[in-house]
Amino acid sequence: DAGVIQSPRHEVTEMGQEVTLRCKPISGHNSLFWYRQTMMRGLELLIYFNNNVPIDDSGMPEDRFSAKMPNASFSTLKIQPSEPRDSAVYFCASSPGQPQFFGPGTRLTVL
Amino acid sequence: SQKIEQNSEALNIQEGKTATLTCNYTNYSPAYLQWYRQDPGRGPVFLLLIRENEKEKRKERLKVTFDTTLKQSLFHITASQPADSATYLCALINSGGGADGLTFGKGTHLIIQP
Repeated sequence: DAGVIQSPRHEVTEMGQEVTLRCKPISGHNSLFWYRQTMMRGLELLIYFNNNVPIDDSGMPEDRFSAKMPNASFSTLKIQPSEPRDSAVYFCASSPGQPQFFGPGTRLTVL
Repeated sequence: SQKIEQNSEALNIQEGKTATLTCNYTNYSPAYLQWYRQDPGRGPVFLLLIRENEKEKRKERLKVTFDTTLKQSLFHITASQPADSATYLCALINSGGGADGLTFGKGTHLIIQP
């Protein structure tokens, strides 16, 4: 079975540019989560969806961040405009309830 | 404020010994507590889940205990092997259940020395 798929795996961009991260959850999982990991703050929940509906976006740091889940097999996390402090590894995870299954992450570097 | 604390210092254990990792939390009433393993450059991988009404859970060489009075979970790896070297994260769901987002500790880096 394919696990959670994320793209791109690495992204290097310049400050001010728009960045879009993509996630394909495991088929049949009805919950999808976006996390961000940094050395300083560890792994933090940004937003999660149940049945494609955003449930809790309290972890989204600013209005520059937005997430969508147009259907059960695809989600995006967009940062516009990006800033150097957004540099981190972004993980997508999916779940049928518990536990959660993580993708390989996208390493974002904003110069 | 809510906190999940894991030993931030690396834990060095001799191969064959039991490794014990600690997760303490404050101002949570977790319905579940989970342990994940994370290797460099990879996403966390689920290991064990223990519910608030369970005191102990085992899986092969792994054992988790959960003391809601002490607000602590212990994670044990018996007969440790160098391949067990990784960062181990504990995570809580602070609700009555369901697919809520996890709150993670920062993890403990475990090194098993041959």
